[in-house]
Amino acid sequence: RKEVEQDPGPFNVPEGATVAFNCTYSNSASQSFFWYRQDCRKEPKLLMSVYSSGNEDGRFTAQLNRASQYISLLIRDSKLSDSATYLCVVNDPPGTGGGNKLTFGTGTQLKVEL
Amino acid sequence: DTAVSQTPKYLVTQMGNDKSIKCEQNLGHDTMYWYKQDSKKFLKIMFSYNNKELIINETVPNRFSPKSPDKAHLNLHINSLELGDSAVYFCASSQRGTGAYEQYFGPGTRLTVT
Repeated sequence: RKEVEQDPGPFNVPEGATVAFNCTYSNSASQSFFWYRQDCRKEPKLLMSVYSSGNEDGRFTAQLNRASQYISLLIRDSKLSDSATYLCVVNDPPGTGGGNKLTFGTGTQLKVEL
Repeated sequence: DTAVSQTPKYLVTQMGNDKSIKCEQNLGHDTMYWYKQDSKKFLKIMFSYNNKELIINETVPNRFSPKSPDKAHLNLHINSLELGDSAVYFCASSQRGTGAYEQYFGPGTRLTVT
């Protein structure tokens, strides 16, 4: 089983649609959770952190269910500029060396169309 | 101003050669990373350094040798390049101890081995 699993997509949606991405992770000791965005041929950039209580940033809402080891991202009123790959990211506990290790999912590709 | 920079941006070389990729961050972070993103877009950590000390060393062939002359720089040297080394290599940095563990990525180095 992959450490972080996502549906690769692509999700093709019309502008203005609401789209949801899901992610599951295997390590129950994982400590922090994030969604990163990666545009084509660019570097990943942090979109938002994910908290157990759920958090919202404008049109984006992230949820975490620790019991089910499940993370979600909801995008409302999608824009053409939202087209990108969305990476589910999990921060594992520090190892013996104290390293801060992020484990990335393979990403879900979103294409927003006119 | 560029936060995390990498050189070169593109690198085309032949099998068996030795090459280096340089990374610099001006964010004042104390931790730096190297990631490899393969043709299937899977992003995987290779190494992490904290204050010039190696703290994460994933299962990477020993042909890959990171070097950190100071906490603002982390270079990656690759010996005896193989076809399978072709990928995009991303450098990243973060500040250890901050709750979000946000990592800032460089623009990537596209390595093609022929």
